[in-house]
Amino acid sequence: DAGVTQSPTHLIKTRGQQVTLRCSPKSGHDTVSWYQQALGQGPQFIFQYYEEEERQRGNFPDRFSGHQFPNYSSELNVNALLLGDSALYLCASDRMGRGLEKLFFGSGTQLSVL
Amino acid sequence: TQLLEQSPQFLSIQEGENLTVYCNSSSVFSSLQWYRQEPGEGPVLLVTVVTGGEVKKLKRLTFQFGDARKDSSLHITAAQPGDTGLYLCAGPERGSTLGRLYFGRGTQLTVWP
Repeated sequence: DAGVTQSPTHLIKTRGQQVTLRCSPKSGHDTVSWYQQALGQGPQFIFQYYEEEERQRGNFPDRFSGHQFPNYSSELNVNALLLGDSALYLCASDRMGRGLEKLFFGSGTQLSVL
Repeated sequence: TQLLEQSPQFLSIQEGENLTVYCNSSSVFSSLQWYRQEPGEGPVLLVTVVTGGEVKKLKRLTFQFGDARKDSSLHITAAQPGDTGLYLCAGPERGSTLGRLYFGRGTQLTVWP
């Protein structure tokens, strides 16, 4: 049973460019959340997708957008990249309405903005 | 300002020593979770504590949730090099689904052989 898979694992971009990160949730999960983890920090919630809609959003600008597909996979898009967007981007999946069921994280995409 | 404050930020100890790391908040949480994260990997859930005063044991790891549900601690007995990693505490936003968590900055633990 595959867990949460993310691609690519590493990415290098320059300021002003746009990037798309991809996530496939664990089998049986229908909800995907994205987190940003800067160096030396804990993960920060970006947004959550369920039933192909953004359900909750953290304190991130509109440059950060996402999408969820009918197969529950998800994309995170970041426009007009800034140096400060360099971070590990984590995808987490779970099943809506299951309360304290275990949240599964992928290994992340390491984004470097030069 | 961090909603969850973890201390210490860094801890470097010898194999066999005991240690405790702390997670504190001025807010009440319905539950708190502890994760361990290794380099190049995502966080892996170790435990969820739900009831104030609750103590959970996972082999050499002991987790405690404060009576007021504002703080938690993780105690490791006889640490081993395999315990090395970033230990994160996290709690859900009130009324949120599990997917939205607030994380502390973590405690980076290094255990030397």
